[in-house]
Amino acid sequence: EAQVTQNPRYLITVTGKKLTVTCSQNMNHEYMSWYRQDPGLGLRQIYYSMNVEVTDKGDVPEGYKVSRKEKRNFPLILESPSPNQTSLYFCASSPPGWRDNEQFFGPGTRLTVL
Amino acid sequence: DQQVKQNSPSLSVQEGRISILNCDYTNSMFDYFLWYKKYPAEGPTFLISISSIKDKNEDGRFTVFLNKSAKHLSLHIVPSQPGDSAVYFCAAMGNQGGKLIFGQGTELSVKP
Repeated sequence: EAQVTQNPRYLITVTGKKLTVTCSQNMNHEYMSWYRQDPGLGLRQIYYSMNVEVTDKGDVPEGYKVSRKEKRNFPLILESPSPNQTSLYFCASSPPGWRDNEQFFGPGTRLTVL
Repeated sequence: DQQVKQNSPSLSVQEGRISILNCDYTNSMFDYFLWYKKYPAEGPTFLISISSIKDKNEDGRFTVFLNKSAKHLSLHIVPSQPGDSAVYFCAAMGNQGGKLIFGQGTELSVKP
């Protein structure tokens, strides 16, 4: 089944404890992206990657890191999480010609930073 | 500064009637627009898109209208069905790079 998977789905952590949220897609998509969803703010793009080893900042990259060492995986790294990073996170991927193709979203990861 | 705005947080419509969801944008460099639907506890799913070279795009019950001079787009759902109840996000992108800017979302409730 073609899908985008994220792990973990739920995470409660404490301030300053490094964490990684994994994202994997099995559709051989070149484009991948991370978003956070917050009440009243909608979805905001954190980072995106047009292909392996190519990453760029979205609208809200501060406090986050990403890497794209292989096509299928695009992990989101929080080196020192803070309470303002409590949010619902979505990973998405899209095939080549991504502007004319839909993005496929993962199920989301709900992160709480205490 | 919110470059894509959905000023109505919620909308309630009777089944069978038309639902109209609105979206405004400020950046004249945006040239491609999309609508996504989101159910609770799920990721967003793509609904329909429109390029700036068009002013209308239809897909079944869904039609998106684009008014570039007003920097405004709208999604029409006709007829509305209870299964359409969800949060709808509009999104916009420019012709370079991979940035996608979303609006705040509008929660649509279609009542039987």
